[in-house]
Amino acid sequence: GAVVSQHPSWVICKSGTSVKIECRSLDFQATTMFWYRQFPKQSLMLMATSNEGSKATYEQGVEKDKFLINHASLTLSTLTVTSAHPEDSSFYICSVPRGRYTEAFFGQGTRLTVV
Amino acid sequence: AQSVTQPDIHITVSEGASLELRCNYSYGATPYLFWYVQSPGQGLQLLLKYFSGDTLVQGIKGFEAEFKRSQSSFNLRKPSVHWSDAAEYFCAVGAGSGGYQKVTFGTGTKLQVIP
Repeated sequence: GAVVSQHPSWVICKSGTSVKIECRSLDFQATTMFWYRQFPKQSLMLMATSNEGSKATYEQGVEKDKFLINHASLTLSTLTVTSAHPEDSSFYICSVPRGRYTEAFFGQGTRLTVV
Repeated sequence: AQSVTQPDIHITVSEGASLELRCNYSYGATPYLFWYVQSPGQGLQLLLKYFSGDTLVQGIKGFEAEFKRSQSSFNLRKPSVHWSDAAEYFCAVGAGSGGYQKVTFGTGTKLQVIP
């Protein structure tokens, strides 16, 4: 079964509103989680590294005030898209790394549509 | 920083034919390499991974990949393609840092299977 649960799977919101996406590690305490974004017909780009107990680390070009990341506990990270615009419409997916010598586990992804 | 190149954006093969998807990586140290598959509107599924040892790696669904250090390649192969293999395939390289894998994805190859 899934070891990373991401919620919601899809969401439609109006421009200007905020949307929160949750990523839960079901069987592993994760001090670090990753958030990726995938625009239509493009690859997955790392947005930020979520760090439990400290601030997230954002990749170059990602607005930290727009994409708020909170690593509330060792099993939960949230990504909040604030003041959403249509250009924020994308597929957002989280991953939970499980160690240096094993692969990370990915959530199911969240398809966000801003209208 | 690591990077991944997938030279083929789109590939069409006949059902039952063999398949090879190309992947080249750039990384200064020993890479950790992955192939993921993404069906339309879905999340990522890990097909196979290479961390060390035998350079020919077997994965799920009959896929295999061969790590060639001299060519910086990790090509994915399948001897006989099934219609259900139609999807997008991503090669990825992981950099072991801070005790976990930070993954960079290639641009993806979309596979179309024709009867």
